[in-house]
Amino acid sequence: AQKVTQAQTEISVVEKEDVTLDCVYETRDTTYYLFWYKQPPSGELVFLIRRNSFDEQNEISGRYSWNFQKSTSSFNFTITASQVVDSAVYFCALSEATATDSWGKLQFGAGTQVVVTP
Amino acid sequence: DAMVIQNPRYQVTQFGKPVTLSCSQTLNHNVMYWYQQKSSQAPKLLFHYYDKDFNNEADTPDNFQSRRPNTSFCFLDIRSPGLGDAAMYLCATSRVGRKETQYFGPGTRLLVL
Repeated sequence: AQKVTQAQTEISVVEKEDVTLDCVYETRDTTYYLFWYKQPPSGELVFLIRRNSFDEQNEISGRYSWNFQKSTSSFNFTITASQVVDSAVYFCALSEATATDSWGKLQFGAGTQVVVTP
Repeated sequence: DAMVIQNPRYQVTQFGKPVTLSCSQTLNHNVMYWYQQKSSQAPKLLFHYYDKDFNNEADTPDNFQSRRPNTSFCFLDIRSPGLGDAAMYLCATSRVGRKETQYFGPGTRLLVL
């Protein structure tokens, strides 16, 4: 069963618009870790944020903000005033603390392609 | 700057000809991972090393092997590449597994002719 769902395959916006990427996860663990990564066309996966399950405080970093809601198992990501350089694929990922089937494994969502046009 | 380095960035090989991809890190992390990423898909974990302990994913083909001669270096060997092995190969490192952030290298894009 898919543990991380990114329902949006592609989002296209015009520069300066805000864009919100949805991420819904599924886990039975009470302790887990959520991540967002950015993958620009060059291919490198760039770490953006890590959130622990016991810390529901939302976070803002420049034009990026994250909304973590355990009640709905969601960890959404918003880019404010988007720029062309934000064009990339964004992956949400889950790491479970007690999973025994594969230690150290990141469960990735399918990714959301963001296209920002001038 | 501390980082994860992958060489080469692009690799072309022939069908059935062994190929080795390399990864090095200056982060002094004890865990190193290899992922395969095909076009428009999420990265898929192939295996990882925790120090010298090798951990293979159940569905990783036998055609893929790995070596970690020391803390800094890790190699991915594809013994007989097939056309279906053409992909981006990503190396990542972390201090420990589940709760620590994985940091990725720039990847090696493999083309099989």
